[in-house]
Amino acid sequence: DIQMTQSPSTLSASVGDRVIITCRASQSVNTWLAWYQQKPGKAPKLLIYKASSLESGVPPRFSGSGSGTEFILTISSLQPDDFATYYCQQYSSYLWTFGQGTNVEV
Amino acid sequence: EVRLVESGGGLVQPGGSLRLSCAASGFTFSSYVMIWVRQAPGKGLEWVSSLSGSGGSSFYADSVNGRFTISRDNSKNTVYLEMKSLRAADTASYYCARGDYSSGMDVWGQGTAVTVSS
Repeated sequence: DIQMTQSPSTLSASVGDRVIITCRASQSVNTWLAWYQQKPGKAPKLLIYKASSLESGVPPRFSGSGSGTEFILTISSLQPDDFATYYCQQYSSYLWTFGQGTNVEV
Repeated sequence: EVRLVESGGGLVQPGGSLRLSCAASGFTFSSYVMIWVRQAPGKGLEWVSSLSGSGGSSFYADSVNGRFTISRDNSKNTVYLEMKSLRAADTASYYCARGDYSSGMDVWGQGTAVTVSS
């Protein structure tokens, strides 16, 4: 199975900060990589798919980049609504896997 | 409105069985892969199983392979997860999601809780 590793696990930030979350795959997933945001008690929300495509309705302060084994989620200017946990997920193989999550906190 | 609604969760004893359902509305159900994802209390997301639109191709995480079965009834716009030989480690909120093999999972249900305990 393809293992996904995110860093950091926890990130302390303030409103207005530029936030960068990294996701590394144990083998190439090409650009078959998605990013999700999850808030406590809620279902995950798709932010980015195919590594860099912004899901409809998602603010443009979110962006994704990368290919192969290294990926980045960037929040250009952190807003109060962005404090949440973020997950990367590969769908290169038929056995999908998530990263362990990055908690963005105040 | 595109919507997924899960049901069927509850308390079950170790070794028991449970069937989860996910009713879809607002989109052409048979055109989409349907997926189950779970989240143990305080833990991260774990992909459980996927099923193609026709129902002809299914995939499972190693942790549930041989114990869980995913199926769908396209006439009822419903996907199911049959869970057998349940263990304490299967305790989680179970989410169903809509997706495809090019864009991940874009629509999610609200989740249904499964607790495996004696």
